[in-house]
Amino acid sequence: DIVLTQSPDSLSVSVGDRATINCKSSQSLFSSSNSKNFLAWYQQKPGQPPKTLIYWASTRASGVPDRFSGSGSGTDFTLTISSLQAEDVAVYYCHQFFTTDTFGQGTKVEIK
Amino acid sequence: EVQLVESGGDLVKPGGSLGLACAASGFGFSNAYMSWVRQAPGKGLEWVGRIAPTTDGGTTDYAAPVKGRFSISRDDSKNILYLQMNSLRIEDTAVYYCIATTAPPHWGQGTLVGVSS
Repeated sequence: DIVLTQSPDSLSVSVGDRATINCKSSQSLFSSSNSKNFLAWYQQKPGQPPKTLIYWASTRASGVPDRFSGSGSGTDFTLTISSLQAEDVAVYYCHQFFTTDTFGQGTKVEIK
Repeated sequence: EVQLVESGGDLVKPGGSLGLACAASGFGFSNAYMSWVRQAPGKGLEWVGRIAPTTDGGTTDYAAPVKGRFSISRDDSKNILYLQMNSLRIEDTAVYYCIATTAPPHWGQGTLVGVSS
């Protein structure tokens, strides 16, 4: 099974500063058949279901603010929040669907 | 608008059975890989299993902790995804979500399953 390892486990960032979350896969998530990476990023706030932020590693979902961006390919991926806002406090998960799905362990983002 | 609505969550005793359903609308359900994901209280997301589109064989895959106890099926005529859970254990207590692994992925609101004596 593919293992996704997120770092850090938690992150404390000042409002307006950049937040960076990494997700490392034990195997490449790049498919040569469609030239895409089978990785998504989600935001989950307490008591709510996860919300899709990014899919295909770097495509922002509709309605997601442009301060959220995804990058990376193969085995190393990054979610960046360019200017953290108070409403971005949440747990963030990466998810691979290249083979049988797996999730990262989550990264908790808080305000410093 | 894409909608995924789970139902069937309940409190059951260890060793019992329960069936969940996920009603889908607003996208091509029959062509979508569909998964169940669960989240135990205070824990992260755990993939439970998935089913391929019927056109891809409708094959199913399961996570090790539920293999042999849980079964996923789909009814493309009704746009409904199912999860049959047997031999339930205390550690199966969680909110169960259905996901459409589309582009972008879509999540339901979840349904709570409690296993307790």
